[in-house]
Amino acid sequence: SQQGEEDPQALSIQEGENATMNCSYKTSINNLQWYRQNSGRGLVHLILIRSNEREKHSGRLRVTLDTSKKSSSLLITASRAADTASYFCATGLPYGGSRLTFGEGTQLTVNP
Amino acid sequence: DVKVTQSSRYLVKRTGEKVFLECVQDMDHENMFWYRQDPGLGLRLIYFSYDVKMKEKGDIPEGYSVSREKKERFSLILESASTNQTSMYLCASSPDPGTREQYFGPGTRLTVT
Repeated sequence: SQQGEEDPQALSIQEGENATMNCSYKTSINNLQWYRQNSGRGLVHLILIRSNEREKHSGRLRVTLDTSKKSSSLLITASRAADTASYFCATGLPYGGSRLTFGEGTQLTVNP
Repeated sequence: DVKVTQSSRYLVKRTGEKVFLECVQDMDHENMFWYRQDPGLGLRLIYFSYDVKMKEKGDIPEGYSVSREKKERFSLILESASTNQTSMYLCASSPDPGTREQYFGPGTRLTVT
């Protein structure tokens, strides 16, 4: 079963604009992670936020986590054409060992 | 840097063939995973392994088996390939303990005709 659901499914913006993607999940988690996938390639880990954290930054990325609403958001500031990719959230369960459950992804297109 | 490699980028097989997909990681990670990725369905976990010779079923193990004889290598086996197994297959690894970030290979796009 899919734990995470991303919203929107697709997002198209102009270079320089900010992009916000959302992820909702259903059960308690240990951590939530965001990954990026360029077309036809493997996924690349972007950022991990633990269940006791509310916000985390990495370069132009900002992730928030609201465990009461079971939701997370990924903000990419000052987007570039090279940010065009699919973005996935993945959740780790408290007693789920090493496995993650991935959502269906958001396709981001940044137009030059 | 962690490197996860997969034996083929593209593979075309016939229905009924036995198919082997190989994955190798070079960072001594305990955990390895096989996913398939289909449009509109995201990534779905087929099998994972947390140690040599250990395996656990994921969400969609039917029609697949796995082998982990060495820590660095995790193989996915399609016993009798079918057209509905046409997909992108992604291998990943992660270190212990607990739920950590996963490192992915480039993927194998398998077409079964």
